[in-house]
Amino acid sequence: GAVVSQHPSRVICKSGTSVKIECRSLDFQATTMFWYRQFPKQSLMLMATSNEGSKATYEQGVEKDKFLINHASLTLSTLTVTSAHPEDSSFYICSARTDGGKTQYFGPGTRLLVL
Amino acid sequence: GENVEQHPSTLSVQEGDSAVIKCTYSDSASNYFPWYKQELGKGPQLIIDIRSNVGEKKDQRIAVTLNKTAKHFSLHITETQPEDSAVYFCAASLSGSARQLTFGSGTQLTVLP
Repeated sequence: GAVVSQHPSRVICKSGTSVKIECRSLDFQATTMFWYRQFPKQSLMLMATSNEGSKATYEQGVEKDKFLINHASLTLSTLTVTSAHPEDSSFYICSARTDGGKTQYFGPGTRLLVL
Repeated sequence: GENVEQHPSTLSVQEGDSAVIKCTYSDSASNYFPWYKQELGKGPQLIIDIRSNVGEKKDQRIAVTLNKTAKHFSLHITETQPEDSAVYFCAASLSGSARQLTFGSGTQLTVLP
């Protein structure tokens, strides 16, 4: 199957700082990428959908100014958590899908801990 | 919108036995149903999927069945092994469109040696 990578795999930061997470599709072009957040023992919660070259579509309740998403190329999307607070600590997972494709391939996730 | 319910939330089986996880969905227009396996601290991995034009699909020890009339689909794992222990998520979507996957709540499968 297709490979999606994320970097970093885990990050610890101080409250008030910003953190950038990268999501790359390694062997295919992804016109659509998704960002999810997952709390312990819970399901994946969709945060936003990003399409290459256009603004991301955020789910209800997700602050677009706090979670900045950029999908500048067909193989890279970034999620920036701005002014992070302890309640933003979570497991962030991206996924990628080809144009018209049915299958979503997930990255390995990024564990964020805000102190 | 779509709503996916998944049962059971936890499942323990003896090694070698079969495991069955069931999901129901609400939107009759959904036509794509993947299953993901998530190990601790890792991202979900697609293990099998089924489209609405078929009723069953099998890949070695894993099979998925779909009943469109009843709007439910199931994951069957035979001859379970300890490495099958993980959280399994079902999902549903309308493929070929901008609609994203709607996930079930997950099932923690534990295979006891």
